Amino acid sequence: SSVLTQPPSVSVAPGKTATITCGGDNLGVKAVHWNQQKPGQAPVTVIYYGSDRPSGIPERFSGSNSGNTATLTISRVEAGDEADYYCQVWDSGSDHVLFGGGTKLTVL
Amino acid sequence: QVQLVQSGAEVKKPGSSVKVSCKASGGTFSNYVFSWVRQAPGQGLEWVGRVIPVFEKGKYAQNLLGRVTISADKSTATVYMELSSLRSEDTAVYYCARSRLEMTTSDGFAFWGQGTLVTVSS
Repeated sequence: SSVLTQPPSVSVAPGKTATITCGGDNLGVKAVHWNQQKPGQAPVTVIYYGSDRPSGIPERFSGSNSGNTATLTISRVEAGDEADYYCQVWDSGSDHVLFGGGTKLTVL
Repeated sequence: QVQLVQSGAEVKKPGSSVKVSCKASGGTFSNYVFSWVRQAPGQGLEWVGRVIPVFEKGKYAQNLLGRVTISADKSTATVYMELSSLRSEDTAVYYCARSRLEMTTSDGFAFWGQGTLVTVSS
């Protein structure tokens, strides 16, 4: 089964752009989802299938996926975006769901 | 609106079993993918397994094979996760989650339960 690699932490100033990456073999051909988890809360999916934003998620959240890297981009970062972010894929070979190790986004 | 409501916190002895429930309301049930995800204290998310109620048979994470059983009761729209031979390493918050699309195992999770803390301690 594949491994998903995320940076442990990303820091960004308010109003700037945060970029969180997720690396894995041939990730560009897989369905990648991004989950946001704030302290003490259940996760929330903010991006489906690489770039599909569900209703209720601000347009500031966007995603892309190509080659071996999926990217979550948060524009005009706000203090309320501070959270842990996890990428997620379904591995067809093992028929398992895999999560990245998570990235802690800190808003300076 | 779909809601997933989980059973309450549990404290268990090592070697015992725990069964956590997740009751779905506000939508149809049988054709969606229900997964269990756990999170040990201070750690990341770990997939435990899934069930599609209409098919009944669960699929489980390799490291939990033989100890975990996920089932569904279509009459009450409730999904269950039972974990046996509990160890201290199983201490975690266990979440149930439902797919956005029917019958799609590659889908993300549109709805999450509130989480159930399972503590394994002697």
